[in-house]
Amino acid sequence: QVQLVQSGAEVKKPGASVKVSCKASGYTFTRYYIHWVRQAPGQGLEWMGRINPNTGVTRYAQKFQDRVTVTRDTSINTAHMDLTRLTSDDTAVYYCARDFYGSGSPFDSWGRGTLVTVSS
Amino acid sequence: QSVLTQPPSVSAAPGQKVTISCSGSSSNVGDNFLSWYQQLPGTAPKLLIYDNDKRPSGIPDRFSGSKSGTSATLGITGLQTGDEADYYCGTWDSSLTAYVFGSGTKVLVL
Repeated sequence: QVQLVQSGAEVKKPGASVKVSCKASGYTFTRYYIHWVRQAPGQGLEWMGRINPNTGVTRYAQKFQDRVTVTRDTSINTAHMDLTRLTSDDTAVYYCARDFYGSGSPFDSWGRGTLVTVSS
Repeated sequence: QSVLTQPPSVSAAPGQKVTISCSGSSSNVGDNFLSWYQQLPGTAPKLLIYDNDKRPSGIPDRFSGSKSGTSATLGITGLQTGDEADYYCGTWDSSLTAYVFGSGTKVLVL
């Protein structure tokens, strides 16, 4: 069955960077886009960006354009999300999710989430 | 500030029906297929409705979706205590070239 397994929780200091991983299994990794969505405590869902694992082409939300980088390693069916210059506002659960077309098709499978805590 | 607008909460007694609205614009809801996601407490979101009104395998027909113009609606009939969750609408925004979510609606079963 389709699974997206994310890396473990992280605690970072303000100004640092964090890298969250998402390992896919149960389907052909290069046929589905991987998206990153975050949720701050008690808040709603916020889309950060996506990658086409086949081509490596990315698209980011304007809010995160200068701080986020999404990459992939097709040899291990894994996508990564790097977020730099962390502040306390970046404390959130970060989810990866997949969709077929990259622009509007449903997110039909989600990872369990990775809690990133930013604290001095 | 979410691009798509949802009511903060809706409530009803067990067995009753609730509807959740999702209001957008011509560049998102009016231009693309809409999905609904259910997020039970402490868990990841789960796809509930896609392409405006389709249910993935395993989703009971108590859940239904519809769309008209720049608004969409999620309906839940035969409400159960297990339906207590946050519900989000989501779609692509053709102008922002970004995926956008609604603000989320908490369903309370009285």
